Amino acid sequence: NAGVTQTPKFQVLKTGQSMTLQCAQDMNHNSMYWYRQDPGMGLRLIYYSASEGTTDKGEVPNGYNVSRLNKREFSLRLESAAPSQTSVYFCASNSRGHTTGELFFGEGSRLTVL
Amino acid sequence: KNEVEQSPQNLTAQEGEFITINCSYSVGISALHWLQQHPGGGIVSLFMLSSGKKKHGRLIATINIQEKHSSLHITASHPRDSAVYICAVRGSARQLTFGSGTQLTVLP
Repeated sequence: NAGVTQTPKFQVLKTGQSMTLQCAQDMNHNSMYWYRQDPGMGLRLIYYSASEGTTDKGEVPNGYNVSRLNKREFSLRLESAAPSQTSVYFCASNSRGHTTGELFFGEGSRLTVL
Repeated sequence: KNEVEQSPQNLTAQEGEFITINCSYSVGISALHWLQQHPGGGIVSLFMLSSGKKKHGRLIATINIQEKHSSLHITASHPRDSAVYICAVRGSARQLTFGSGTQLTVLP
């Protein structure tokens, strides 16, 4: 049982490049989330998906797009990376709504934009 | 927006000491989470509580809804407890609001 798996773990981009962070969970959870973590700040929600086929903006969605490909997978895309998007990104999932139930996190993806 | 403040930001303790980490929030909530972030970066959920107290092994979490305050206690601390501890609250909005974390270092 792998839980929540994120790839890649590390990535360096140049400004303007694009990339996709992949996330998959094997716990049959309905809800999935993408957060970013910056030094001195709490985790901030970028986008979430309450169920397959639906996505909603979180607190800091600008510069990102998401796709809920199926119940297992939720990807985060940076179309034109900017230095302000240098951060550690976490995918998470839970079985019920965002604010109910235990959250399960991936190991994180460290992104540097030069 | 709910503001979540954790204290202290950094805490160093000797092995065996009793540790308390505090979390205060600004508006009413229906639940509060305590999370642990390992030195390698992974995050695990420790507790979710809406009232009273929960205990798991050497960890105890309490919440006082009226005072808008929660504490996480670690008894008989051990170097393997060294991690960042994060408080998150669920308010009237759908989203969780996270504190910035408390870095705990337990020295042998």
